[in-house]
Amino acid sequence: KAGVTQTPRYLIKTRGQQVTLSCSPISGHRSVSWYQQTPGQGLQFLFEYFSETQRNKGNFPGRFSGRQFSNSRSEMNVSTLELGDSALYLCASSQGQWNQPQHFGDGTRLSIL
Amino acid sequence: AQKVTQAQTEISVVEKEDVTLDCVYETRDTTYYLFWYKQPPSGELVFLIRRNSFDEQNEISGRYSWNFQKSTSSFNFTITASQVVDSAVYFCALSEANFGNEKLTFGTGTRLTIIP
Repeated sequence: KAGVTQTPRYLIKTRGQQVTLSCSPISGHRSVSWYQQTPGQGLQFLFEYFSETQRNKGNFPGRFSGRQFSNSRSEMNVSTLELGDSALYLCASSQGQWNQPQHFGDGTRLSIL
Repeated sequence: AQKVTQAQTEISVVEKEDVTLDCVYETRDTTYYLFWYKQPPSGELVFLIRRNSFDEQNEISGRYSWNFQKSTSSFNFTITASQVVDSAVYFCALSEANFGNEKLTFGTGTRLTIIP
């Protein structure tokens, strides 16, 4: 069974640009969550999608947005990039119940110059 | 609000020694799940174990064991006879009972280094 796939693995952007990250969940998983990992703030929850609807959102500015498609694949978009957006962005999928473990991808490492 | 504390930032032990990683959590819910994840240098978070708030039975799985105590809000993780491959960052996480709330609150992680 294939795991969670995130593309691209690495990305370099400059301030002010926008970026789109992609996540393909494990087959059969309907929930996709996104997390930001930085040395200073650790792992922080961004948002979660289930059946194409955003169910939960963390405390991030509106520059961070996402969506989910009918095949459960998800994209995350960050507009007007700032230096502080440099981070490892992790995607996780699960069956969609709070007590089920989330399975993570390898992440996309975003560097802002 | 929920919170997870991993007071140990870094631990180094010599191979074959036992090591315990501490996790203390805070939550107002009576129903919740606790998780341990391992993050090797490759970056992927690997799920290790989950425990629900009603199951305080401790578990042993190979070289890994977990000690869950609601009285002290702790969910500690022990590796017996450590190996170099155990070197990684370990995260404790909490999920509160709320259908539709797929949010994990993570601790800050403990970097474990096994010295050969």
